[in-house]
Amino acid sequence: AQTVTQSQPEMSVQEAETVTLSCTYDTSESDYYLFWYKQPPSRQMILVIRQEAYKQQNATENRFSVNFQKAAKSFSLKISDSQLGDAAMYFCAYRSKTGNQFYFGTGTSLTVIP
Amino acid sequence: EPEVTQTPSHQVTQMGQEVILRCVPISNHLYFYWYRQILGQKVEFLVSFYNNEISEKSEIFDDQFSVERPDGSNFTLKIRSTKLEDSAMYFCASNIGPGANHEQFFGPGTRLTVL
Repeated sequence: AQTVTQSQPEMSVQEAETVTLSCTYDTSESDYYLFWYKQPPSRQMILVIRQEAYKQQNATENRFSVNFQKAAKSFSLKISDSQLGDAAMYFCAYRSKTGNQFYFGTGTSLTVIP
Repeated sequence: EPEVTQTPSHQVTQMGQEVILRCVPISNHLYFYWYRQILGQKVEFLVSFYNNEISEKSEIFDDQFSVERPDGSNFTLKIRSTKLEDSAMYFCASNIGPGANHEQFFGPGTRLTVL
């Protein structure tokens, strides 16, 4: 079964600085999808960014970008120019190409310091 | 912007009681999911539902669990006889289709506390 590991339960960053959240995963599949979801306090999870494993180019969405290292099975999220609204729990998730279920990590709680 | 909603936000129940957690997926979505997160642990997949039947379920989703779409808008998760270890946050999700381009939209969750 696929596993997703987020080794940083908590991270903090100064406003306007850059922070990187780590995620590693384990799979025997060659094609799959990876996601970062953000969950603000008492709100639903929303998709931040997605990456398709067969694409070598790292996905970017405005201030959010990923460093996808397929051989190392690593999928880190970089948040540039951090804003107070970025404070949330961030979940890394894996989805097989053939199935519908997501496999999540345990999450990283990000604090943004003004 | 359409959202997945869940009620109640917090449910407290006694061990052995039945609970029904309710979700209203986004209206044009066809696939529905339940996940749970025990405090401090991973978000875990429970079940997916399409065309009025279960399409996938995990080992967690045993005979104590059932899902239903009773009226075309609600999507419910029933736990027949709750156990202490069922205490968790339960998330509902929905999407238009199973492709990864069709992201899953999550509800805010229901915190279930079993005493």
